[in-house]
Amino acid sequence: GAVVSQHPSRVICKSGTSVKIECRSLDFQATTMFWYRQFPKQSLMLMATSNEGSKATYEQGVEKDKFLINHASLTLSTLTVTSAHPEDSSFYICSARAPSTPGTGELFFGEGSRLTVL
Amino acid sequence: AQTVTQSQPEMSVQEAETVTLSCTYDTSESNYYLFWYKQPPSRQMILVIRQEAYKQQNATENRFSVNFQKAAKSFSLKISDSQLGDTAMYFCAFMTYNAGNMLTFGGGTRLMVKP
Repeated sequence: GAVVSQHPSRVICKSGTSVKIECRSLDFQATTMFWYRQFPKQSLMLMATSNEGSKATYEQGVEKDKFLINHASLTLSTLTVTSAHPEDSSFYICSARAPSTPGTGELFFGEGSRLTVL
Repeated sequence: AQTVTQSQPEMSVQEAETVTLSCTYDTSESNYYLFWYKQPPSRQMILVIRQEAYKQQNATENRFSVNFQKAAKSFSLKISDSQLGDTAMYFCAFMTYNAGNMLTFGGGTRLMVKP
């Protein structure tokens, strides 16, 4: 199946700094990627839809100035957490639809990135 | 807006036995997909099974099968011959055909398979 890779898998940063998380589709081109946030023992919450070559679409309640999303190429989307604070600590997951599976609705997920803000 | 509800936060089952995880959803759409995803301790999301709403036949994938009741908006997952490796969080998810592949997840069920 299609492979989506996230990097880094774990990151620890100091409060006030910015952190960038990358999501790459390794063997396919993804015009659309999705970013989710998952708190411990909770479900995945969609944060935004990342569209190649255009602005991301953010879900209600997600601060677009804090969570900057860039989808500069068909294989890479980045999520930058700006001026991170301890409450931003969470598990962030990306997903993408592979063109080889049109009409199936199937999405492929990255391994996730655990962010800890001290 | 679509909602997905998993009423069982935690379940346990003995190895080799069968367990059923419940999921209900609410939508006004007629064309959609339903999914069960597994999230093991590694946190990698893995697709377990998929059902298209227009198909009356219940989907099956080896030991995994679903009971899809469209009128009742119910989509339960049955795991037969449970294995220790089935221990994970299970998420039911919903996607409409025209939603741009946006998934709505249920709250999850933590399944523990006991030896």
